[in-house]
Order: sequence, then structure tokens, then C-alpha cells
Amino acid sequence: NAGVTQTPKFQVLKTGQSMTLQCAQDMNHNSMYWYRQDPGMGLRLIYYSASEGTTDKGEVPNGYNVSRLNKREFSLRLESAAPSQTSVYFCASSTRDRNYEQYFGPGTRLTVT
Amino acid sequence: SQQGEEDPQALSIQEGENATMNCSYKTSINNLQWYRQNSGRGLVHLILIRSNEREKHSGRLRVTLDTSKKSSSLLITASRAADTASYFCATNFNKFYFGSGTKLNVKP
Repeated sequence: NAGVTQTPKFQVLKTGQSMTLQCAQDMNHNSMYWYRQDPGMGLRLIYYSASEGTTDKGEVPNGYNVSRLNKREFSLRLESAAPSQTSVYFCASSTRDRNYEQYFGPGTRLTVT
Repeated sequence: SQQGEEDPQALSIQEGENATMNCSYKTSINNLQWYRQNSGRGLVHLILIRSNEREKHSGRLRVTLDTSKKSSSLLITASRAADTASYFCATNFNKFYFGSGTKLNVKP
């Protein structure tokens, strides 16, 4: 059981470049989430997917798009990266059976120059 | 803006002492959860308390919830150096909102 996996672990982008962060879970969870964590701050929800085929905006969705490819995978896309998107990105999954307790991936550290 | 706010922002104690962290939130909740984050790692779930519960225990952890004051506290008893980490509360009401965290340093 790998839990929640994220790729890549590190990425450096130039302003205006695009990239997709990948996330996969093998726990058969219905819900998946993308968060960003800036230095000294808590996590802020970017987008979430309550079930396969649905996505909803979180607290800070501007500049991002998501795709719930199937039950296992939930990707986050930056179409035109900006320095303000420099952050650590965490993917998480949860299930109603466990009161939506969040299981987190190891994170992707993204720097936009 | 974030739903939950923890205080203190940082706490430094000696091994064996108790550590108390507080969390305040703004709106209704279904439950409140506490997480731990070791430096550079993902968050790990510690304990959940439902909105109709007032206190919950798990090992050395004790969580209280006061919905009238919209606040919760996490107590870690007999702390160990391995408890050094950041601790976050998260409120759940359709969406998740995390607080800004308390950075705990337990000195051996």
C-alpha cells in the first residue's frame, strides 16, 4: 500500500511555463484534494473532488485547473506559472467511512522564477 | 482567509512537560481534526473530534472542543523530543480549512 503518491518531488519553472502535478492514491478513497502551503502558513485548499467526475473550487483556485482522471488520480495544472505560485503542493485523499480524515502525499516543492 | 487559527505560533518546552495548543475557528463544523507535520513532510492525522463531542483521548493526546466558543485545544502529555513538529487544526464543514499551525519544539 503506497498510500498517496505525488510526482514530481521538486520542480523549478520560469514565469509563464506550464506544468501538471500528478497525484494518485491506492486506498479506494472517493475524495481527493489539492492544497498549497506557503512558508509559516497552514494549508489552503485549491481544488477538491468529492467523487470521480466532480471537481469544486476551494479557497484559492485562481491560476489552477484540475482533472479527476479516474478514482485513483487527481492532477493539478498550472497553465501559466507565476512567482506567486511558488509553494509546496500537497495532495490528499479521504473517505466518508473515516469521517474524511485526510491522508497526505509527501508534497511537491515548486519554485517559479 | 483561513478558518482556523492556532496559538501559540511557537512553543518550546522540556521533555516530560505537557504541551497545550489552541485552535479557534469561525463557522459551523461537522468535526475538527488535528494533524502533525514533521519538517518538510506531509501532514499526518492525529485525532478527530465530532461537533457533538466535548473531549476525546488517544494515547498521550487529549482534545477538547467548545462549540459555543468555537475553539479547541490539543494537549500532549509527557512530551518527547520526537513530538517536535508543527501541529495544525482543521475544520470540516463541506470543505476543509487548516489553521496556520503551532510549531512545537521539545528539548531533550
